[in-house]
Amino acid sequence: GESVGLHLPTLSVQEGDNSIINCAYSNSASDYFIWYKQESGKGPQFIIDIRSNMDKRQGQRVTVLLNKTVKHLSLQIAATQPGDSAVYFCAERAAGANNLFFGTGTRLTVIP
Amino acid sequence: EPEVTQTPSHQVTQMGQEVILRCVPISNHLYFYWYRQILGQKVEFLVSFYNNEISEKSEIFDDQFSVERPDGSNFTLKIRSTKLEDSAMYFCASSEQNRQGQAFFGQGTRLTVV
Repeated sequence: GESVGLHLPTLSVQEGDNSIINCAYSNSASDYFIWYKQESGKGPQFIIDIRSNMDKRQGQRVTVLLNKTVKHLSLQIAATQPGDSAVYFCAERAAGANNLFFGTGTRLTVIP
Repeated sequence: EPEVTQTPSHQVTQMGQEVILRCVPISNHLYFYWYRQILGQKVEFLVSFYNNEISEKSEIFDDQFSVERPDGSNFTLKIRSTKLEDSAMYFCASSEQNRQGQAFFGQGTRLTVV
């Protein structure tokens, strides 16, 4: 079955610094990837997605990088703010399927 | 901003009892989903629902689970005979198109089975 995991369970960064959250996936048939943010007491919130025909996609203060060769996904957050403190999940979807498989999450703590 | 709302926020139930978790999806959305998250573990897909029928379900979604859209606004998840291992956060989500990755999630219902 699919395996989506995160390298680090926790990450602490200083306010204003850039954050990088990593994710490894094992299903080479996955063609769509998503990053979610989950704040305490709330449901997952879509941040950014990327399809397998791309290797980089940028949003507002966030960038997702996809390396299909090593099956690695990362989320970069520029100028991290206290409001970015949350758990971040990656998720993947296999080609032709609709189900998402989620990673375990990385807790990002921003130090003021 | 439109949002998915779930009730109750916390439900405590005796093992073996039936529970119904309720969700009001975003009004113009046509695709509905349930997920669960056992404490400290991954979010897991349970079921997707479209046009009044289940479109996909996971292995977790066995005969003890059912979903229903009883009226034009609510989307419910029923667990017929709860087990201790059903204790989890249950998230409802909805999307305008058949794009689970772009779904909006509710805040979740914490189910505790005792």
